[in-house]
Amino acid sequence: DVKVTQSSRYLVKRTGEKVFLECVQDMDHENMFWYRQDPGLGLRLIYFSYDVKMKEKGDIPEGYSVSREKKERFSLILESASTNQTSMYLCASSFLGVRVETQYFGPGTRLLVL
Amino acid sequence: GENVEQHPSTLSVQEGDSAVIKCTYSDSASNYFPWYKQELGKGPQLIIDIRSNVGEKKDQRIAVTLNKTAKHFSLHITETQPEDSAVYFCAVSYNTDKLIFGTGTRLQVFP
Repeated sequence: DVKVTQSSRYLVKRTGEKVFLECVQDMDHENMFWYRQDPGLGLRLIYFSYDVKMKEKGDIPEGYSVSREKKERFSLILESASTNQTSMYLCASSFLGVRVETQYFGPGTRLLVL
Repeated sequence: GENVEQHPSTLSVQEGDSAVIKCTYSDSASNYFPWYKQELGKGPQLIIDIRSNVGEKKDQRIAVTLNKTAKHFSLHITETQPEDSAVYFCAVSYNTDKLIFGTGTRLQVFP
């Protein structure tokens, strides 16, 4: 079974702090994704990576950066957390195939910025 | 860019009844249409998908129908059970690994 794990289920940070969210997948997937989930807005893509050290902006990259130093690990960084970044963050991974492949999600990290 | 609208946002049904969730999209070139189910405290999980070369796909009690002319697709759940209670997301893609998700439907199945 594919397993995508996220470093924390719940996180509380203060405004201005630097925040790291870690995601690890165990299926050797090339693609990894970071989404944020907000009520009424669905899942919105923050960043996408299709290979080590490769990244692509999603729909809402402002205020975020990412790091992919190893194939199995994809980190989301909030350089200076703000209250409007309070949200549920979901990581996903997928196989890089000839056509679109299934995305497998982690359980999510609920971040509260005070 | 692609825009995906999902309706309804909430849906309550009696156990044993059917449930239908509909999504419309804007880019006629979109060719992949998955549905994800998110249970409480978990990440979304793929339950069924359809590609643009077919109009309907069924897997036991769930089915997805696609109308490319009208640019909409629907999830059908028959004989609903309490364990079907969850949030359902549709998504679309066109020849890319990135998905554009709908806003979600919270389905409640009452015993």
